[in-house]
Amino acid sequence: GENVEQHPSTLSVQEGDSAVIKCTYSDSASNYFPWYKQELGKGPQLIIDIRSNVGEKKDQRIAVTLNKTAKHFSLHITETQPEDSAVYFCAASISNDYKLSFGAGTTVTVRA
Amino acid sequence: GAGVSQSPSNKVTEKGKDVELRCDPISGHTALYWYRQSLGQGLEFLIYFQGNSAPDKSGLPSDRFSAERTGGSVSTLTIQRTQQEDSAVYLCASSFSGTAAYEQYFGPGTRLTVT
Repeated sequence: GENVEQHPSTLSVQEGDSAVIKCTYSDSASNYFPWYKQELGKGPQLIIDIRSNVGEKKDQRIAVTLNKTAKHFSLHITETQPEDSAVYFCAASISNDYKLSFGAGTTVTVRA
Repeated sequence: GAGVSQSPSNKVTEKGKDVELRCDPISGHTALYWYRQSLGQGLEFLIYFQGNSAPDKSGLPSDRFSAERTGGSVSTLTIQRTQQEDSAVYLCASSFSGTAAYEQYFGPGTRLTVT
């Protein structure tokens, strides 16, 4: 089955700096890569996703890049703000399959 | 509109007791998922429902775990003879259709503590 590894496990950044989280996956058939944000006491919420037919996708201050050859994808958060503090999970799947395989999560802390 | 709701939000139980966790998905969502989140870990897939059927129960850790879904809506995850290693947050998610390309909407979870 799919194995997703996520690094780093914790990340502390100064407000206004950028944060980068990296994930690798094992199944070359995977073609759908969502990112979820989980705030304290809440369930994860989808913040951005990318499919294998594109290499990069942006949505305001967040962006995701995908390298299918190397089987890795990354989340970039620019101009970080305190409300970006949360746990972020990457995931991978085959888009016509139901199962998402999640990384272990990255706890991001934005220091004011 | 209303999101996915789960109850109870917290449950403390003694080792050996049975517990039932409830999930109310978003209306109209045919797919429903249960995950387990242990401290500092990612989301561990437990079971997937399409309608009332569970085509994939492969993630259930042992035969002490079972789940059902009725009326294509509410789902209950039951853990019998709870053990301390069952302590975790149990998350439920629903989606419009049973493919990963459709966003999964998560509930807030039930924090289970087995003493």
